[in-house]
Amino acid sequence: AQSVTQPDIHITVSEGASLELRCNYSYGATPYLFWYVQSPGQGLQLLLKYFSGDTLVQGIKGFEAEFKRSQSSFNLRKPSVHWSDAAEYFCAVGRAGGGNKLTFGTGTQLKVEL
Amino acid sequence: NAGVTQTPKFQVLKTGQSMTLQCAQDMNHEYMSWYRQDPGMGLRLIHYSVGAGITDQGEVPNGYNVSRSTTEDFPLRLLSAAPSQTSVYFCASRLAGLETQYFGPGTRLLVL
Repeated sequence: AQSVTQPDIHITVSEGASLELRCNYSYGATPYLFWYVQSPGQGLQLLLKYFSGDTLVQGIKGFEAEFKRSQSSFNLRKPSVHWSDAAEYFCAVGRAGGGNKLTFGTGTQLKVEL
Repeated sequence: NAGVTQTPKFQVLKTGQSMTLQCAQDMNHEYMSWYRQDPGMGLRLIHYSVGAGITDQGEVPNGYNVSRSTTEDFPLRLLSAAPSQTSVYFCASRLAGLETQYFGPGTRLLVL
């Protein structure tokens, strides 16, 4: 069965500092990987996704993520965090032809200090 | 396009009551799903549909029913609400062959 681990429940960074949110997955084949962001009281917005090809993917709002098969990881990064990035971030894994069976991590709550 | 819409935004029920959470999308997406979000547990799949007339169970289907009579609509029914169903419910949709799901704004449900 596929699974996703986000080891950091809460992260606090200063505005302007760099950010890395960790995501590790367990899946037998090549996974489809996603990062979503959820602002308070809102739905989930797709930040970026990886299906195949270049292992470094660019997303919206200046985010990027790198797929590392050897480490089963798909960490999310941003060079300089803005106060508006404060939100909860979810990593998810799916598979080709898997219907809508996305498996989500438990989320990382990001706090940005001014 | 309105995208994925959900109604109501917030609902309070008493144990044993029934209700239907509505979900609609105007993107002609074949696939639709219902998830529930609970603190510390991420999102878990309840039911999903790959097209009109076709539904299947997800990870946590007990206590919920779904039907898909049209491409646009995918209602979630709670026949006899229980406090354990207190949660935030998200509907999602996507095109067949494309794996990116689009989520609605959610319905916050409190069962007393």
